[in-house]
Amino acid sequence: EIVLTQSPATLSLSPGERATLSCRASQSINNYLAWYQQKPGQPPRLLIYDASNRATGIPARFSGSGSGTDFTLTISSLETEDFAFYYCQQRSDWPPLTFGGGTKVEIK
Amino acid sequence: QLQLHESGPGLVKPSETLSLTCTVSGASISTTTFYWGWIRQSPGQGLEWIASIFSTGNTYYNPSLESRLSISVDTSKNQFSLTLSSVTAADTALYYCSTGGELLYFFDYWGQGALVTVSS
Repeated sequence: EIVLTQSPATLSLSPGERATLSCRASQSINNYLAWYQQKPGQPPRLLIYDASNRATGIPARFSGSGSGTDFTLTISSLETEDFAFYYCQQRSDWPPLTFGGGTKVEIK
Repeated sequence: QLQLHESGPGLVKPSETLSLTCTVSGASISTTTFYWGWIRQSPGQGLEWIASIFSTGNTYYNPSLESRLSISVDTSKNQFSLTLSSVTAADTALYYCSTGGELLYFFDYWGQGALVTVSS
């Protein structure tokens, strides 16, 4: 099973700041990684797939990068609606599909 | 617009079987080549993939749950279903049905979730 480790667990930032979230895989997953955003009381929303492709309707301030074992989600300038939980997910070697433990982006 | 909606009992007794159904609208399960899946989220915790079924009927299970799981499709009702047997309190969670559509292995469309509590 491929384990995804997200860091940091919590990121405290102010609106307008840049957010950098990390996801590390226990073995190479090529670029088969997605990022999701989840707000309280809502299902997750797909942001990025195949490491760097924005899903439909996702603002350009969200970008993804990386390949192999190390991946990054960057939010270039945080808006108030971006404060939420973020999860990564791999589909390289499945079953099982696996998710990271999540990063909470909170208002500083 | 593809939409999904979970339904099922909110309370299940320990050792019994949990059954959930996902009703799909905006797409036909029988004519699409998509994966249809279930993901759960325990209270205050992260996401756990449970199982997926391809439109051809091929099934894929999380090995940690496989011995208790079954996923199936009812094309006549445009639904897919999950059963999880011998439940314990650890199975208490919000259960989502989801599909990636043309993205296949990722999850682009989600239901609102069905909360299932395992308690006597």
